[in-house]
Amino acid sequence: NAGVTQTPKFQVLKTGQSMTLQCAQDMNHEYMSWYRQDPGMGLRLIHYSVGAGITDQGEVPNGYNVSRSTTEDFPLRLLSAAPSQTSVYFCASSLGVNSPLHFGNGTRLTVT
Amino acid sequence: QQQVKQSPQSLIVQKGGISIINCAYENTAFDYFPWYQQFPGKGPALLIAIRPDVSEKKEGRFTISFNKSAKQFSLHIMDSQPGDSATYFCAARVRGSNYQLIWGAGTKLIIKP
Repeated sequence: NAGVTQTPKFQVLKTGQSMTLQCAQDMNHEYMSWYRQDPGMGLRLIHYSVGAGITDQGEVPNGYNVSRSTTEDFPLRLLSAAPSQTSVYFCASSLGVNSPLHFGNGTRLTVT
Repeated sequence: QQQVKQSPQSLIVQKGGISIINCAYENTAFDYFPWYQQFPGKGPALLIAIRPDVSEKKEGRFTISFNKSAKQFSLHIMDSQPGDSATYFCAARVRGSNYQLIWGAGTKLIIKP
């Protein structure tokens, strides 16, 4: 049972480049979400999805897009990378509203 | 803006001692308060959680104390061990928001052997 799998683990981008961070879960969780983690700021919600075909914005959605075509996958797209998007990105999933979040091991992104 | 304020930022405790991490909130509409533990290079994992109708919850060496009138909750780690060295995050969920959590800034805990 792999849980939540994120790829890549590390990525370096130049300003203006685009890329997709991948997230897959094999637990049949309806809820999936993307967070960014910055020192001294905890985790901030970027986008989330409560099921295939349904997505919504979180606290810091600007510069990011998501889609949810299947229950298993929830990719995060950076449209035009900026240095302010340098961060560690975590994908998380949950079985239901009263269930814990299960996190992947993160993608460390550096934008130069 | 809804906030959860966590303190201290970092904490060093001797092995066998008690580690205490505090969180305070202002929004009285929070209905669920989890604590997550994060080891370096890993994602956070749920440690223990409490609802506001309970004043204390204990799981092994970990205890959450909840003070509804003061709008504060804290994590106590008894008999702290080097393996407890990690970053701890408190969080709070707004009633009716389903899955969305408001997170504290985190506390880096180091247990000295």
